[in-house]
Parts: sequence; C-alpha cells; structure tokens
Amino acid sequence: SQQGEEDPQALSIQEGENATMNCSYKTSINNLQWYRQNSGRGLVHLILIRSNEREKHSGRLRVTLDTSKKSSSLLITASRAADTASYFCATVLQTGANNLFFGTGTRLTVIP
Amino acid sequence: DTEVTQTPKHLVMGMTNKKSLKCEQHMGHRAMYWYKQKAKKPPELMFVYSYEKLSINESVPSRFSPECPNSSLLNLHLHALQPEDSALYLCASSQVVGSNQPQHFGDGTRLSIL
Repeated sequence: SQQGEEDPQALSIQEGENATMNCSYKTSINNLQWYRQNSGRGLVHLILIRSNEREKHSGRLRVTLDTSKKSSSLLITASRAADTASYFCATVLQTGANNLFFGTGTRLTVIP
Repeated sequence: DTEVTQTPKHLVMGMTNKKSLKCEQHMGHRAMYWYKQKAKKPPELMFVYSYEKLSINESVPSRFSPECPNSSLLNLHLHALQPEDSALYLCASSQVVGSNQPQHFGDGTRLSIL
C-alpha cells in the first residue's frame, strides 16, 4: 500500500500549547500535502510542500519534509479549540496523476 | 461553506435501490475526483475525471458508475449496493490533473445501505 502512516493516532493538548504530528510514507514523492477534516465535514487543504523544499510556513502552521527519511511533520503553534479536527498527510507520487494517497490521520483535541 | 457542493448530504437506501450522488463546482477546475471514506479511516480514491473523461478507476465495483456531464458536474450512480458500501462519499476538484495542485473537497454525502 502507498498509504502513509501518521503518529500519534490521537493527541490531546491544552489551548495555547503546540501540536506536532508526524507522517511517514513509502515511495518517492512529487509533493506532500496536509489536510484538516472537522467531524462530519470535507477536507480542507492546509499546506503543500514540494519534494525539493525542506520547510514551509503558513500562519501558525510549520511543515517540514525530509525526503531521505521519507517523513514529514506538521507543527501547529499556539493551538486553539477551533483547531480540534483530524489531520491527514497526503502524498503525490513522482509519476502519474495528481492522486492523493492519504496517511492514517491524527485526531487532535484542543482543550479550552 | 465549501466551493464544492455535494447533494444530498445524507442518503439511506436499500440494496435494490438506484440512486445518484451529485457534485458541482464553479471554480473552473478541470479535474474532479470521487473518494470513499469509512469511519475513522482516511479517504480512498475511487475515480478521477480529467477534462470530463474518466482517467482513473481504482478497481471500483461496477455497482458504482461515475458520470461527468460537463466540466462543473460530477455524478456517482449507485445500484445494488452492499451494506459495506455505507460510508462518506467525498467529491473533490483541482485545477488540472497534475502535480502541485491542491484539491478542494465538498462536505460529502453520508450513505447508509440498509
């Protein structure tokens, strides 16, 4: 399977703390993307990092990519209750179409 | 609100029924996707349409039949489904089928098969 693995599966933190989620994948990629999914809703694209990039920021989000280890991390700083959601990494392979292969997801709970 | 609209939001059907899921986007995207998501699992790709043509079918059973009438619409026709087909069905779109393009998702149709 090309599906990635994420850890932790679940994470519970206090509001204001930072949250870090990790993603590992199996094959060479063109890019890696992170998505958020609120309960019962669709996925929302957060950030895309290309295979030749090592770090990217967007607001309170920081994503790193280590292609030698086939891993990525998503850091959410100064978390808020509204950040409570499931977070998925998704890889796009070097060859082929723009298919997303999703990781197993991390369920984040931010306690007010 | 999302820019990809899916209807209905909920659907309950028997195994002998025929129903259709609909997806619409007006962002000018030329690639559209169907995903299936079981509870507490990641989405799994079912079909990809590029410029209104089916480009990828991820070995989906024939009881699921996709259709792309025009660049803004995507349908998923359902017939003789099984209880294990109960899931959240998500539609997504992107500018083109190519790398480095984020996908925009609808809120899905929650399907229950009796």
